[in-house]
Amino acid sequence: QKEVEQDPGPLSVPEGAIVSLNCTYSNSAFQYFMWYRQYSRKGPELLMYTYSSGNKEDGRFTAQVDKSSKYISLFIRDSQPSDSATYLCAMSAPGNTGKLIFGQGTTLQVKP
Amino acid sequence: SAVISQKPSRDICQRGTSLTIQCQVDSQVTMMFWYRQQPGQSLTLIATANQGSEATYESGFVIDKFPISRPNLTFSTLTVSNMSPEDSSIYLCSVDRDRGITEAFFGQGTRLTVV
Repeated sequence: QKEVEQDPGPLSVPEGAIVSLNCTYSNSAFQYFMWYRQYSRKGPELLMYTYSSGNKEDGRFTAQVDKSSKYISLFIRDSQPSDSATYLCAMSAPGNTGKLIFGQGTTLQVKP
Repeated sequence: SAVISQKPSRDICQRGTSLTIQCQVDSQVTMMFWYRQQPGQSLTLIATANQGSEATYESGFVIDKFPISRPNLTFSTLTVSNMSPEDSSIYLCSVDRDRGITEAFFGQGTRLTVV
């Protein structure tokens, strides 16, 4: 069983739709939770960063963490074609080592 | 965010040869990381490179295959040695901003094809 599970998709939605991306994890010691966006032929770009259970909002993006269920989500409101990318969840290994464990990534396509 | 430059951005190499990838950061950082992203797969940590000490390798990765240098706080290299087609992958350099929390930034990666 992988430490972090993420549905690879692909996910295709019309422009303006609300997108929900999800990850589950098995290690309750994970402390920090991140979402990265990766465009084709580019490195991952940090989108959102959360520490505790609850919601964190940044513009059209909302990150949600439920530590009791070991489940994190990223919501994108009013999705745009420019949001088309692969979205990777990542979690920090215990011990402040800087190591990240990534999900497989979900490929999102937003159609005009 | 940190600005991270990786060279080369891509290369096609013959099997049995070696390639050295360079990573330059625009500010001093303690931790630098090297990841591999195989086609259709997620990112897997190869090793952590701290200045002044030997790199720490993750399970499944060894120094003979992936030697790493970290001569100062802004630069690191990863060498992929004795390459085979299975090494075809994207190799990514990453840094942590030394803020006491894990917040990694990535270079744009090196796309390696071994033929």
